[in-house]
Amino acid sequence: QSVLTQPPSVSAAPGQMVTISCSGTSSNIGRNYVSWYQQVPRTAPKLLIYDNNKRPSGIPDRVSGSKSGTSVTLGITGLQTGDEANYYCGTWDSSLNSYVFGSGTNLTVL
Amino acid sequence: QVQLQESGPGLVKPSETLSLICSVSGDSITSSFYYWGWIRQSPGQGLEWIGRVFYTGSTHYNPSLKSRVTLSADTSKNQLSLKLGSVTAADTAVYYCVREPFFDDLLPGGDRSYSYYMDVWGTGTTVTVSS
Repeated sequence: QSVLTQPPSVSAAPGQMVTISCSGTSSNIGRNYVSWYQQVPRTAPKLLIYDNNKRPSGIPDRVSGSKSGTSVTLGITGLQTGDEANYYCGTWDSSLNSYVFGSGTNLTVL
Repeated sequence: QVQLQESGPGLVKPSETLSLICSVSGDSITSSFYYWGWIRQSPGQGLEWIGRVFYTGSTHYNPSLKSRVTLSADTSKNQLSLKLGSVTAADTAVYYCVREPFFDDLLPGGDRSYSYYMDVWGTGTTVTVSS
């Protein structure tokens, strides 16, 4: 049972937009900065968003992050088949004194 | 370009100690801007944070693994080390080495807000626990 709650799966058509939610509590998302990771099967995860809404160099601006209270949202516009992957949110939990990940969301581009 | 490369035995017997090395190139582990951490992923499962180490030797561990794990940094070799004792089949996983930038803010009321994230990942090494 993950501390952060994500939907198991989402899907959308190529060219469309999708959002992935991640819900937590006041001790994790509500207080600390959140990051998002993309993992294509059988490869290492890749950082997509850090500090709630910042993109690392090389991540296109069709990828975005936002935060409201104890929830964060990852948005991807202009979906491509290459976006099919598992997406994880992560943050520090100040009560557990541990870094925690969401359970992951599988994105299918139909 | 920063690269992390995990290495170690791919097969460990139950009750023994799992030992992995992460070799870092393109950056120095003595940088004051980063922790260096380990994350694992059991077959078909999500990501689990194991812990992190600063070059000074300061460590943070996942409470669920704290009694069995030891992380260390060898600045002379620019390498990190993970040791996990008393392993069981539940420790079978892909183990990743990561670089973790960090900072913290002071919130009104005196609490702190933390930023930790994993900006560079190794390719991962598969460890199977089996007799």
